Amino acid sequence: DAKTTQPPSMDCAEGRAANLPCNHSTISGNEYVYWYRQIHSQGPQYIIHGLKNNETNEMASLIITEDRKSSTLILPHATLRDTAVYYCIVITGANSKLTFGKGITLSVRP
Amino acid sequence: DAGVIQSPRHEVTEMGQEVTLRCKPISGHDYLFWYRQTMMRGLELLIYFNNNVPIDDSGMPEDRFSAKMPNASFSTLKIQPSEPRDSAVYFCASSPHFPGQGYTFGSGTRLTVV
Repeated sequence: DAKTTQPPSMDCAEGRAANLPCNHSTISGNEYVYWYRQIHSQGPQYIIHGLKNNETNEMASLIITEDRKSSTLILPHATLRDTAVYYCIVITGANSKLTFGKGITLSVRP
Repeated sequence: DAGVIQSPRHEVTEMGQEVTLRCKPISGHDYLFWYRQTMMRGLELLIYFNNNVPIDDSGMPEDRFSAKMPNASFSTLKIQPSEPRDSAVYFCASSPHFPGQGYTFGSGTRLTVV
């Protein structure tokens, strides 16, 4: 599975959009991009995943560049409860284990 | 749906004692995963099951660790004997697919070995 690179931390103001970047320059054609988050003292929570098209659900949007070497998770209106560690993970569609890196710590300020 | 249920939430035990962590996956989920989280090593996958059968236990740190899934609704992770370096938060997760729509994690068991 391709490796991902995320900055260690970022912050944003409450109510504004939070754009969390992820680089995965060695991604191959059959690998998916998954995003999870972990709020303090809780288990990780699935957010969204995609292959090549942009995806949106009730939690977030996932924008994947055309060359698929990077992606951005967008939380459109961040709240204080979105403060968490966000993990970008690349895996193939079958028989791949979900391996967590260090993630990016998002701090939402009032 | 009650989600993935883990017990106990907290466990404090003395070095050398046996520890058993329990997990009830979401009904209908064919995959079950055990993870361990520490500050130093982050989240590590220990073992996973498919239809109650262990598929990959390469993440189990040593023979002191064992995991079973006697039926589709119950799994255990046992540490015998426990050591202080086993202190961590242990998470169980389940999924209907692999990797599918994502895993659902339990709230974790915080283990402290003194």
